Amino acid sequence: DAGVIQSPRHEVTEMGQEVTLRCKLISGHNSLFWYRQTMMRGLELLIYFNNNVPIDDSGMPEDRFSAKMPNASFSTLKIQPSEPRDSAVYFCASSFEVDQPQHFGDGTRLSIL
Amino acid sequence: QQPVQSPQAVILREGEDAVINCSSSKALYSVHWYRQKHGEAPVFLMILLKGGEQKGHEKISASFNEKKQQSSLYLTASQLSYSGTYFCGTESAPGSNDYKLSFGAGTTVTVRA
Repeated sequence: DAGVIQSPRHEVTEMGQEVTLRCKLISGHNSLFWYRQTMMRGLELLIYFNNNVPIDDSGMPEDRFSAKMPNASFSTLKIQPSEPRDSAVYFCASSFEVDQPQHFGDGTRLSIL
Repeated sequence: QQPVQSPQAVILREGEDAVINCSSSKALYSVHWYRQKHGEAPVFLMILLKGGEQKGHEKISASFNEKKQQSSLYLTASQLSYSGTYFCGTESAPGSNDYKLSFGAGTTVTVRA
């Protein structure tokens, strides 16, 4: 079975531009998590969904960040406008249920110049 | 609230043992352990759900002490493949709509030949 698929793997863009990160869940998984990882702050949970419904978005840094889950197998994380401090590796992970093991995608390495 | 991991880093020779600790200021419902190799995504190792429970994965085992609100990961007879950063994730609320897995800052393990 395919794992969690993220795209793009790398993104370099100038500040002020809109960035969209994409994630395809493992088939049959009901929970979706977006994380951001930096050296300074470690692995931070940004938002998670259960059955397509956003449950907790308290980790979303600012209104510039938004996440959607238009269907059961796909999610997007959007940053608009992007800033250099948004540079990080963004992971999405899915699990069968919210308290079950999470399967991580390979991440998107985002650099905002 | 983020759990506290110790030590921050450990260097081992092949065959040596190590213990990684994870402590929380909140009562714990479960503890997850993940390993992340450099440049890769975190990979699930194990979940501990009950106080005093121990689980194992290869020669990696863990314990969970509910009363002390802590978990320990034991690397026994370490192999080169054990190198990586180990994260504990703690869940404080029993599976419910306010579930949130909080990750520690990680412990970097380097195993040398």
